[in-house]
Amino acid sequence: AQTVTQSQPEMSVQEAETVTLSCTYDTSESDYYLFWYKQPPSRQMILVIRQEAYKQQNATENRFSVNFQKAAKSFSLKISDSQLGDAAMYFCAYRSMEYGNKLVFGAGTILRVKS
Amino acid sequence: GAGVSQSPSNKVTEKGKDVELRCDPISGHTALYWYRQRLGQGLEFLIYFQGNSAPDKSGLPSDRFSAERTGESVSTLTIQRTQQEDSAVYLCASSLRGRTDTQYFGPGTRLTVL
Repeated sequence: AQTVTQSQPEMSVQEAETVTLSCTYDTSESDYYLFWYKQPPSRQMILVIRQEAYKQQNATENRFSVNFQKAAKSFSLKISDSQLGDAAMYFCAYRSMEYGNKLVFGAGTILRVKS
Repeated sequence: GAGVSQSPSNKVTEKGKDVELRCDPISGHTALYWYRQRLGQGLEFLIYFQGNSAPDKSGLPSDRFSAERTGESVSTLTIQRTQQEDSAVYLCASSLRGRTDTQYFGPGTRLTVL
């Protein structure tokens, strides 16, 4: 079974600075998807960024980018120019290509942004 | 357009009572998922519906949990004889057919079992 580990329960960043959230996963599959979701206090999960494992190029979405290291099974999220609105819980998630009915989530990282 | 909606937003019940949680997916989304999120933890998959196919119930934690879906619209998650360990936020998500990689989540229902 696949597992996702987020080793940082909480992170802080100064407004306008850059922060990196860590995620590692365990799988025996070669093709899969990885995601970062943001969950603000409203509880609504918002998709931040998505990476297909067969793509070597790291995904980017505006101020959000990932560092995908397939051999190391690492998938970190970098947030540049942090804004107050980035404060939330961030979840890393895995989706099997073959058994794609569900997402496997990590325990989450709380991100606090200081003004 | 409208997103995924869930009701109620909060539910407090007594141990042993049955509860029903409702999810309205985005119109046109044939896939629907239920997840459970315990305090301070990630989401646990519960059940998945895709159109008229048999649902994937592999995540349901016990036979006290069940879910139904009417066609490709509303879904109801039922928890019978609730226990205190059932206290959690229950999140619903939906996606287009074949796009299970992009799930849109509702705001969740916070269930508290006293």
